[in-house]
Amino acid sequence: DAGVIQSPRHEVTEMGQEVTLRCKPISGHDYLFWYRQTMMRGLELLIYFNNNVPIDDSGMPEDRFSAKMPNASFSTLKIQPSEPRDSAVYFCASSFSRTPGTGELFFGEGSRLTVL
Amino acid sequence: LAKTTQPISMDSYEGQEVNITCSHNNIATNDYITWYQQFPSQGPRFIIQGYKTKVTNEVASLFIPADRKSSTLSLPRVSLSDTAVYYCLLNQAGTALIFGKGTTLSVSS
Repeated sequence: DAGVIQSPRHEVTEMGQEVTLRCKPISGHDYLFWYRQTMMRGLELLIYFNNNVPIDDSGMPEDRFSAKMPNASFSTLKIQPSEPRDSAVYFCASSFSRTPGTGELFFGEGSRLTVL
Repeated sequence: LAKTTQPISMDSYEGQEVNITCSHNNIATNDYITWYQQFPSQGPRFIIQGYKTKVTNEVASLFIPADRKSSTLSLPRVSLSDTAVYYCLLNQAGTALIFGKGTTLSVSS
């Protein structure tokens, strides 16, 4: 398997524009997570899904952020409108709940977003 | 909020053993102790996980005392490539991982 695939790897946009980040989890994984990482705040959980259903979105900063998972192999994180403070690296991760223990998280390489 | 406390940074030299201790006084019965490693410009990567006593794999060892209120990640004979941020986390099945600030390990020659 190719691992968790995220796109785009880098995006530079202007304030007010819509941003869509994409994630393809590892095939067969039933959990999908979106994290955001900045120097100031570290790695923050935004939202996670189980079997395509959002379980906890309490980490989503505000209504400008939305996430969907229309099927088991695809998820999007959308920011509309974007603001400079949204600049960060956004990570997608997936896991398989039936792994012994609590399931290893596999992270993608991240999408680095810069909002000017 | 992260439920663990670990040193902000540590320094070491190549070939030394590094032990990073993590405190988790309020660990729950169903919590597993998990460690992740993150290199710059990459996502975190799973290192090791344990519930109690000692766990060892090809990368590290994890020591957990009987009361489970702390744990120690042991990296044998570190190299320059072990320079990274190491996160100690508690998690249960079906819940998400909450990352703290981690420990930045710097290995010098």
